[in-house]
Amino acid sequence: DQQVKQNSPSLSVQEGRISILNCDYTNSMFDYFLWYKKYPAEGPTFLISISSIKDKNEDGRFTVFLNKSAKHLSLHIVPSQPGDSAVYFCAVNAGGTSYGKLTFGQGTILTVHP
Amino acid sequence: GAGVSQSPSNKVTEKGKDVELRCDPISGHTALYWYRQSLGQGLEFLIYFQGNSAPDKSGLPSDRFSAERTGGSVSTLTIQRTQQEDSAVYLCASRVGLSTDTQYFGPGTRLTVL
Repeated sequence: DQQVKQNSPSLSVQEGRISILNCDYTNSMFDYFLWYKKYPAEGPTFLISISSIKDKNEDGRFTVFLNKSAKHLSLHIVPSQPGDSAVYFCAVNAGGTSYGKLTFGQGTILTVHP
Repeated sequence: GAGVSQSPSNKVTEKGKDVELRCDPISGHTALYWYRQSLGQGLEFLIYFQGNSAPDKSGLPSDRFSAERTGGSVSTLTIQRTQQEDSAVYLCASRVGLSTDTQYFGPGTRLTVL
């Protein structure tokens, strides 16, 4: 029973275009959402986060959107660059007594072509 | 370095042997997590340490898995009587206190059980 799903295993976009990565979750109690990026042979690195009290958070080329009614999270990268090619994981934090324990999606491999 | 470090980077072992994986968190970080990523899967939570509190072991898949954190710093994950399904990348993350949800990951240990 996966609580966090990234239904697209891979995404390919052209440099300069928008990349949209999607994530669905099942539990409406989740209150903090994060995106991590992972390069091969490295640990994941934090990218951007959003609290459930917001529906949008922006940081440079990266914007995260949260649709609580649909239990859907998305990450927009504009413009996409070849260096953005990596595996992107969404993660959720149930909050409360879960001590920041994160539940991750399966990841989406993003390839940005020059 | 200032990041989370893990050793060894790669470990190949025979089925039935015990292995120890080490994590050095970022200095001053009170929270420490272990995750694993099996082939084609997302990151799976294993165990969490916060200060001197009892660890949250809810993610450990069997009693062959154990972890300790000595002196509130270095952590060791031990897998006894390894099985082939234990093959995965084991990732450690640390976080400062309870006020932030950003977890900083190490590069991981790739464990292969033959």
